Amino acid sequence: QVQLVQSGAEVKKPGSSVKVSCKASGGTFSSYAISWVRQAPGQGLEWMGGIIPIFGTANYAQKFQGRVTITTDESTSTAYMELSSLRSEDTAVYYCARLVVGAFLPWGQGTLVTVSS
Amino acid sequence: DIVMTQTPLSLSVTPGQPASISCKSSQSLLHSDGKTYLYWYLQKPGQSPQLLIYEVSNRFSGVPDRFSGSGSGTDFTLKISRVEAEDVGVYYCMQSIQLPFTFGPGTKVDIK
Repeated sequence: QVQLVQSGAEVKKPGSSVKVSCKASGGTFSSYAISWVRQAPGQGLEWMGGIIPIFGTANYAQKFQGRVTITTDESTSTAYMELSSLRSEDTAVYYCARLVVGAFLPWGQGTLVTVSS
Repeated sequence: DIVMTQTPLSLSVTPGQPASISCKSSQSLLHSDGKTYLYWYLQKPGQSPQLLIYEVSNRFSGVPDRFSGSGSGTDFTLKISRVEAEDVGVYYCMQSIQLPFTFGPGTKVDIK
């Protein structure tokens, strides 16, 4: 059974960048897309982008184009999401999730990123 | 982008009573492969979302049979036949037929 374990909480200054990791264990990593979804405090779920490790090409939501970079390291079965030019509105919990035949399954435990001066 | 809407946005239910959530998409979620890419997730307080229903009406492994999904095209419904205390949380519908994947705003369910 695949599990996704994310890196720990981060506190960042406005204008800086954050890189969150998502390590997969217990299953095949390369064949399934990994997506990143964020949830601002008290808000809903927002898809940011995704990547299929075996192909290496990422797709991004237009809202985040130019600020987000999603990558993978197949040697460690780890996906990364880097968000740059952080602003207070980027304060959120960031989730990774594997895409299996259209469904996000499983989800990581979430990583809280706080942007504050 | 496909816009997902849900009604109601909140629901307070007496244990043992039924509940129903509607989800509508701005475009058909029926793919040429014959599948309809509509999913339901439950996010319990303090937890990551969990998959309940895939492709409109298929319960994911371990999901109690009091949960059922129905619908087609652009109109979908999640029903809970008898709400239990453990069902509290926020329910989201989601489409994955087209990028960007989009979620409904969520329906918060609590117990009276």
